[in-house]
Amino acid sequence: SQQGEEDPQALSIQEGENATMNCSYKTSINNLQWYRQNSGRGLVHLILIRSNEREKHSGRLRVTLDTSKKSSSLLITASRAADTASYFCATDAMEYGNKLVFGAGTILRVKS
Amino acid sequence: SQTIHQWPATLVQPVGSPLSLECTVEGTSNPNLYWYRQAAGRGLQLLFYSVGIGQISSEVPQNLSASRPQDRQFILSSKKLLLSDSGFYLCAWSIGGGTSDTQYFGPGTRLTVL
Repeated sequence: SQQGEEDPQALSIQEGENATMNCSYKTSINNLQWYRQNSGRGLVHLILIRSNEREKHSGRLRVTLDTSKKSSSLLITASRAADTASYFCATDAMEYGNKLVFGAGTILRVKS
Repeated sequence: SQTIHQWPATLVQPVGSPLSLECTVEGTSNPNLYWYRQAAGRGLQLLFYSVGIGQISSEVPQNLSASRPQDRQFILSSKKLLLSDSGFYLCAWSIGGGTSDTQYFGPGTRLTVL
């Protein structure tokens, strides 16, 4: 896998359901961030989780980090049509010069 | 509060023409500034970043260049556009000592090279 690779590539759910997106990476990281991008717009930062943290919450968002598996997940609970967007993970790793490396993203569609 | 502006929002240019995209940040001082390119349905590719006036780091060899003439102004340029330069260009800023801190993005410029 590439550094910061999201799975699935696309996800379609009904309003009210939970949405789970996964991110896998290759090298040890300092932190991992999740961003949202509405179609044709800039990215919006959602949450940052550091390598020594296992779980973080922000409103309806829950992010977990498993450094032993080199993976993270983003859970959106009780999804809304407004959650329809692309979601990207971005990793910060010394191997990449401590710059953010973005994955290709998961396209989430929430049907009302 | 901080805001970031990019213009133009959309641009259609012929192959071989010059390019100038501008990004400005308000409400903060000495930010780190970034230019990214996003191909359709893909992730972001870091093109340039700057930690201060006149300090530009290039990530990918290409026919693009960047300049930072003022603390909160970042410009992306090209002397001659290629078809492969088409894409969605995003400017971002961050504050802090590292280039891996939380980044705040502008609205983007959609560039189509014909």
